Amino acid sequence: AQSVAQPEDQVNVAEGNPLTVKCTYSVSGNPYLFWYVQYPNRGLQFLLKYITGDNLVKGSYGFEAEFNKSQTSFHLKKPSALVSDSALYFCAVSQWDSNYQLIWGAGTKLIIKP
Amino acid sequence: EAQVTQNPRYLITVTGKKLTVTCSQNMNHEYMSWYRQDPGLGLRQIYYSMNVEVTDKGDVPEGYKVSRKEKRNFPLILESPSPNQTSLYFCASTDLGGRATEAFFGQGTRLTVV
Repeated sequence: AQSVAQPEDQVNVAEGNPLTVKCTYSVSGNPYLFWYVQYPNRGLQFLLKYITGDNLVKGSYGFEAEFNKSQTSFHLKKPSALVSDSALYFCAVSQWDSNYQLIWGAGTKLIIKP
Repeated sequence: EAQVTQNPRYLITVTGKKLTVTCSQNMNHEYMSWYRQDPGLGLRQIYYSMNVEVTDKGDVPEGYKVSRKEKRNFPLILESPSPNQTSLYFCASTDLGGRATEAFFGQGTRLTVV
């Protein structure tokens, strides 16, 4: 069965430091991987996706993610964290079987401290 | 502006009183889905629809109904709400043409059943 794991419920980072939010996946075939962000009292917003090609994907708000096929990981990164990056982050993988479905991780709360 | 619109944003109701949460998208997307979000459980899919008149159960369909009579609308119906359906609900739509396109989310509906 296809699955997505976000091993950390919460990540704390000081403002200005680099941040990493981890995601690993288990899929059959080539994965389509996504990161979304949810700010308080808001819906989920798309950040970036990996389809194929370059393993380093750049997205919105200065975020990037590194696809690692051998480690089946798709970690979200940012070189210098901002307090405004504090939010809930979700990793997802799309599945095409008889139907289309997005498989979601449980989410990681990112807290950036001034 | 491309968007998914959910109404209402907040709803408090009593056990057993039928309610409908509306969802509408203006992007001509084939795929629409409903999720509920609960602390520590991430996003769980309730129902989804691949196109007009085509709906199917997600991971947690019990106690919910949906319909897809028009491409743009995908209402979520709770025939007899119970307190365990207190949750944050999201509607999402996706263009399936490219198979790797991102989902667009509504702002969410916070439902409390007392």
